[in-house]
Amino acid sequence: QQPVQSPQAVILREGEDAVINCSSSKALYSVHWYRQKHGEAPVFLMILLKGGEQKGHEKISASFNEKKQQSSLYLTASQLSYSGTYFCGSENNAGNMLTFGGGTRLMVKP
Amino acid sequence: EAQVTQNPRYLITVTGKKLTVTCSQNMNHEYMSWYRQDPGLGLRQIYYSMNVEVTDKGDVPEGYKVSRKEKRNFPLILESPSPNQTSLYFCASSSSGGLSYNEQFFGPGTRLTVL
Repeated sequence: QQPVQSPQAVILREGEDAVINCSSSKALYSVHWYRQKHGEAPVFLMILLKGGEQKGHEKISASFNEKKQQSSLYLTASQLSYSGTYFCGSENNAGNMLTFGGGTRLMVKP
Repeated sequence: EAQVTQNPRYLITVTGKKLTVTCSQNMNHEYMSWYRQDPGLGLRQIYYSMNVEVTDKGDVPEGYKVSRKEKRNFPLILESPSPNQTSLYFCASSSSGGLSYNEQFFGPGTRLTVL
C-alpha cells in the first residue's frame, strides 16, 4: 500500500511557504523524502527515523508523527530551485524495501 | 566521481523481444534496487538486492528478472516485454546497514517503450 501524499500539486511564489503531507494506512518505521527535478533522477533530502523527529535541510524541514502514521515536509521561504516533484517513502520493518507515495509537484514562480 | 550508471538511457523495442538494462555503481554499495516510475504512481520497487547473490521481490516484480553476480552490477532483465512495461526505470544503490540509515543514490534513468 503506497503512502498518500497531499496536495498532488502546488504553485507558489518565491518566498512563500508550503507543506507537503504524507500519510500511511500501515505503520511507518521511517520516512524518506526525495526531490526529483524534471528529467532528472530523484535526489535524497532526509530520513526521519523516530516518531516526532524533525530534521532540517537548508530551509526544508520535516516532521514524523509515528502515532498518526504521518510525515510532513515544510518548505520555508521557497526558492525557484525548490521546484520539482517531492516523494515520501515508507520503509518496511525489515529495512530492505521502500514504498513511495505518488508524489507532489511543486512549482515556484518568480 | 561516485555514481550509478544505467544503459541504455533510451530504448524502443517490440513486444516479446528480450532485453537487459544494465546498472553499475562505483561506491562499493551492498544494497541495489530497481524502480519503475509511472505518472501518478510515483516510484514502485521492482526488485532489490541486499548483497551479491541475494535478491528479492519488491512491490511489482511480475515480468522482470534480476541477477547480482558482482557487487557493482545489478542488471534488470525483461524476458518477454509487453506494452504495460513501458515506463521510466531507475536503478539505485545504498551502503550497508539497511535503508533506515542510508540514502539511496539513483541512476539517470532508462526510458523504455515497448510497442
